[in-house]
Amino acid sequence: ETGVTQTPRHLVMGMTNKKSLKCEQHLGHNAMYWYKQSAKKPLELMFVYSLEERVENNSVPSRFSPECPNSSHLFLHLHTLQPEDSALYLCASSQDTTRTGGAFLHGYTFGSGTRLTVV
Amino acid sequence: GNSVTQMEGPVTLSEEAFLTINCTYTATGYPSLFWYVQYPGEGLQLLLKATKADDKGSNKGFEATYRKETTSFHLEKGSVQVSDSAVYFCALMGTGFQKLVFGTGTRLLVSP
Repeated sequence: ETGVTQTPRHLVMGMTNKKSLKCEQHLGHNAMYWYKQSAKKPLELMFVYSLEERVENNSVPSRFSPECPNSSHLFLHLHTLQPEDSALYLCASSQDTTRTGGAFLHGYTFGSGTRLTVV
Repeated sequence: GNSVTQMEGPVTLSEEAFLTINCTYTATGYPSLFWYVQYPGEGLQLLLKATKADDKGSNKGFEATYRKETTSFHLEKGSVQVSDSAVYFCALMGTGFQKLVFGTGTRLLVSP
């Protein structure tokens, strides 16, 4: 497989459930990102990991818990979500190195997203 | 801080019409500029990019020129197709920590 793969593509969960979203990249990148895309709202950057270390957390509620066990995998653990958390969750990766240009020259590569519905 | 402003949508065109989607930016230094496209039910795909002033990015008939004097990166296509219907995002990346900043997106609807 190549690129950025997200699973599952669709997820329906109740407010008391616990589930996880998975993202895997096969590009040799060293930075990974979670974005939330809601209807009629701008893309929201949730979390950033660079070299497996979380470098940004944009005031995301604690019911969202990211995990980056290695540079190829990123998870988003979900628990006790609210209906307003229903959205498309996008994962992205990049080569984050200012020395060689990296993301500055090539941007991010995105997965196809997980469409989450909270009922 | 860095920001991107895109024209509001939706933009509705007939097939073979000329397309312009405006994008202006605010940034310090010399950012890279990108256009991403999102087809229904999909994630974002890089459409084209430009990394320095006066560069022209192009792909699939779309073009955009990095204009530093007007801080703009407008997307153009000479003849749109129904298959171009999607949401288009302008984005920039500044120097330093490489965080991609997006505009709000512009929906394009092309009818036969």
